[in-house]
Amino acid sequence: GAGVSQSPSNKVTEKGKDVELRCDPISGHTALYWYRQRLGQGLEFLIYFQGNSAPDKSGLPSDRFSAERTGESVSTLTIQRTQQEDSAVYLCASSLTGLGNQPQHFGDGTRLSIL
Amino acid sequence: KNQVEQSPQSLIILEGKNCTLQCNYTVSPFSNLRWYKQDTGRGPVSLTIMTFSENTKSNGRYTATLDADTKQSSLHITASQLSDSASYICVVTSSGTYKYIFGTGTRLKVLA
Repeated sequence: GAGVSQSPSNKVTEKGKDVELRCDPISGHTALYWYRQRLGQGLEFLIYFQGNSAPDKSGLPSDRFSAERTGESVSTLTIQRTQQEDSAVYLCASSLTGLGNQPQHFGDGTRLSIL
Repeated sequence: KNQVEQSPQSLIILEGKNCTLQCNYTVSPFSNLRWYKQDTGRGPVSLTIMTFSENTKSNGRYTATLDADTKQSSLHITASQLSDSASYICVVTSSGTYKYIFGTGTRLKVLA
C-alpha cells in the first residue's frame, strides 16, 4: 500500500486479556515507531526500530508491553494482561531512515478499549 | 528537560477567519520543527518542516514561522475552512537523535 497500515482499527477487550496490534510500514522505510495517544494528550513514545539494530524500548511503560519487527517489514505490539489504563490509540509511524530530518508517516492507529 | 508546549489548548473560530497557533520549545540542540495536522480518528499528517536557518514556510493556507533565538514557532491559518477543524501538533527533533518530541496539540474547531 501507499501508506502505513495498522490493524485492527478498533479493538475492544476485557481486562486481563492479551492483545496484538499490527503495523505495516511503507515499503523501504527502515525506521518504525510505536506511540500511545491517550484521550486529549500528546503522543507518547513507546519503541523504535531501525533496520536490524537493537530496538530502543525505553518508552515501554511496563513489562506487559513488548514489540517485534522482522527486518524492515511488519511490526507487532503486544500488550499482555491488559489493564483499563491501557485504553488509548496506538499509532505506528515509519520513516525512510532514523534521522530526525526525515518526515514520519503515520498510520490511522488502533483504538484500544479495555472494559 | 526537552519539552514542547503549545497554546492555546483549544480554539473556536468562524469559517473564513484567520488564526495563529503557538509553539514554544526547550529542545536543545535543535534540529528541526514540524507542524502536523491530525483529523479526528486519523494519524497525524505533516504540514511543514523547518530547520534552524529557515524562519518561514508555507503550505497553501498554512504558514509556519520559526524564531530559533526565542525558541518559538507559530502556525498561521488563513481564510479558515470547515475542513481545518483538527488538532495541530508541534514536533521538535534534537540534533543527532531519532526521537521526536511532541506537543500536546491545539484543538481547532471551525464553525460555519
